[in-house]
Amino acid sequence: GNSVTQMEGPVTLSEEAFLTINCTYTATGYPSLFWYVQYPGEGLQLLLKATKADDKGSNKGFEATYRKETTSFHLEKGSVQVSDSAVYFCALSDPYNDMRFGAGTRLTVKP
Amino acid sequence: EPEVTQTPSHQVTQMGQEVILRCVPISNHLYFYWYRQILGQKVEFLVSFYNNEISEKSEIFDDQFSVERPDGSNFTLKIRSTKLEDSAMYFCASSPTSGRGETQYFGPGTRLLVL
Repeated sequence: GNSVTQMEGPVTLSEEAFLTINCTYTATGYPSLFWYVQYPGEGLQLLLKATKADDKGSNKGFEATYRKETTSFHLEKGSVQVSDSAVYFCALSDPYNDMRFGAGTRLTVKP
Repeated sequence: EPEVTQTPSHQVTQMGQEVILRCVPISNHLYFYWYRQILGQKVEFLVSFYNNEISEKSEIFDDQFSVERPDGSNFTLKIRSTKLEDSAMYFCASSPTSGRGETQYFGPGTRLLVL
């Protein structure tokens, strides 16, 4: 079945540092890939998504590229801010299976 | 911007009691979901619902769980006889069309604590 493996944290960075959170997936079909973010005390918010190979999703300075050859969807941001502190979840969904989430990566950004 | 809402935000109950978690999906969405997140663990799919019936459910969604859309706006998750291990954050989500492969919009969650 489908599954998602993402880099487990916690990740602690200084403000303006470069962020990468790795995500790889296993799927039988052609899934859509998502990054969701969970700020402290809140629910899951869609951060970005990509629906086919080589698509790049982007939002709020975050980017992720759908790499079918490496089955990856790594999340990157060039310069993180304190307000980016949250838990980030990689997820996938395809027409035959419901959404599956990775374990989540907690990011803490220090001033 | 429309959003999914959930009530209550927190619920504490005794083991063996029934609880009902409520959700109001985004109004023009057709697919509804429940997920569970045990503290510190991954978000797990429980059930999806379309056209007034369950379309998929996970192995977690056993006979103790049920879902219902009692009216045109609410979507509920009932746990008949809660167990300690049901303590978790429960998220409702909805999506506009086709369900799978589409973006799901999540509510803020209900934190359930079973004592």
